[in-house]
Amino acid sequence: ETGVTQSPTHLIKTRGQQVTLRCSSQSGHNTVSWYQQALGQGPQFIFQYYREEENGRGNFPPRFSGLQFPNYSSELNVNALELDDSALYLCASSLDRGRLNEQYFGPGTRLTVT
Amino acid sequence: AQSVTQLDSHVSVSEGTPVLLRCNYSSSYSPSLFWYVQHPNKGLQLLLKYTSAATLVKGINGFEAEFKKSETSFHLTKPSAHMSDAAEYFCVGAPRSGGYQKVTFGIGTKLQVIP
Repeated sequence: ETGVTQSPTHLIKTRGQQVTLRCSSQSGHNTVSWYQQALGQGPQFIFQYYREEENGRGNFPPRFSGLQFPNYSSELNVNALELDDSALYLCASSLDRGRLNEQYFGPGTRLTVT
Repeated sequence: AQSVTQLDSHVSVSEGTPVLLRCNYSSSYSPSLFWYVQHPNKGLQLLLKYTSAATLVKGINGFEAEFKKSETSFHLTKPSAHMSDAAEYFCVGAPRSGGYQKVTFGIGTKLQVIP
């Protein structure tokens, strides 16, 4: 097991609503990255947090926001949900920023927007 | 600019036969290349990585991949498929330095292993 957990496993929301997804990093990891994986696509990088600060962002609008807490757990918040936000959301933790090959992924949260 | 193309969305092999999952890349700089595997309801797991050393890279579970600059390819192979290899496989490209913004995932190849 990787040690990265995500909650909830599945979630159904209505267009326009807000959602919060949670991620618990592997013990000792200070960096967390979030990805969106639409059906039939590869994961797309949303953003990364390092020691509670945003450390980089992909091509996602500001309604996608995040938080990282002192214990290095993390949240992904999405406001004003759109149908296209339906996807699997993955978080990945690592000991250090900027090292893709050292990331450990969680199983994901599947979000359905109706 | 960088792109990663996985040439097959689905591959089906019989147990015990070789596996070939194809990946081509294009990049304006020398990339790092990775293969990840995703089993159902599981997170992504790193299989192997190429950074700049040996062009033939060995990974976990008997997988290997060869970086061929002349063909801009990084195909994943395994001599003999096992039932437990059935999963989705992602080829990933990233700059050797720089942030995650430039990480590029392929669309994935679903591997089916027939008993």
